[in-house]
Amino acid sequence: EPEVTQTPSHQVTQMGQEVILRCVPISNHLYFYWYRQILGQKVEFLVSFYNNEISEKSEIFDDQFSVERPDGSNFTLKIRSTKLEDSAMYFCASRMTGGSYGYTFGSGTRLTVV
Amino acid sequence: TQLLEQSPQFLSIQEGENLTVYCNSSSVFSSLQWYRQEPGEGPVLLVTVVTGGEVKKLKRLTFQFGDARKDSSLHITAAQPGDTGLYLCAAFNAGNNRKLIWGLGTSLAVNP
Repeated sequence: EPEVTQTPSHQVTQMGQEVILRCVPISNHLYFYWYRQILGQKVEFLVSFYNNEISEKSEIFDDQFSVERPDGSNFTLKIRSTKLEDSAMYFCASRMTGGSYGYTFGSGTRLTVV
Repeated sequence: TQLLEQSPQFLSIQEGENLTVYCNSSSVFSSLQWYRQEPGEGPVLLVTVVTGGEVKKLKRLTFQFGDARKDSSLHITAAQPGDTGLYLCAAFNAGNNRKLIWGLGTSLAVNP
């Protein structure tokens, strides 16, 4: 069964450093997303991406964050100048169509900012 | 702010028992999804319900979407230890299918 692949599975970084979280969505999917889950809290929407541009972003997704689909297969989330409160599980998801259908999620990257 | 409230938050039962978990909101949603998440993994989609009153079955799991599309339930018959996990409901706002709103989840433990 097709999978969404995320790397790395764990990342520890020092406060103020930049991190890039990588995702390889399912190959024929057209819609891409990043969500995050802080320990013990709800999953939160960060950004949706379609047709090589951001279609929606949350208030969390400020200038510290950016997304890219550099080569038609990878989908990256860059966090500049990380803060302690950025520590969370970051999930990439994709789906083939819009509408009401569910996502396929990756296994996540656990980011720890120290 | 649209909220999804899940109950109970924690549930521990014996193998073979039946259970129902709930996902409630005051908002109307265009669709609602149930996911199961295991520790250290991403959510895995179980089902999407779209029509008010819709009932979907997935083996021993029965999902129902409320008539007014504001709430949903998940019923598990004859629970097994393999059903252990975090059950999350998530929904799209009516008119916005670009982002999911999530509940906090029901953590289910099925003891042998």
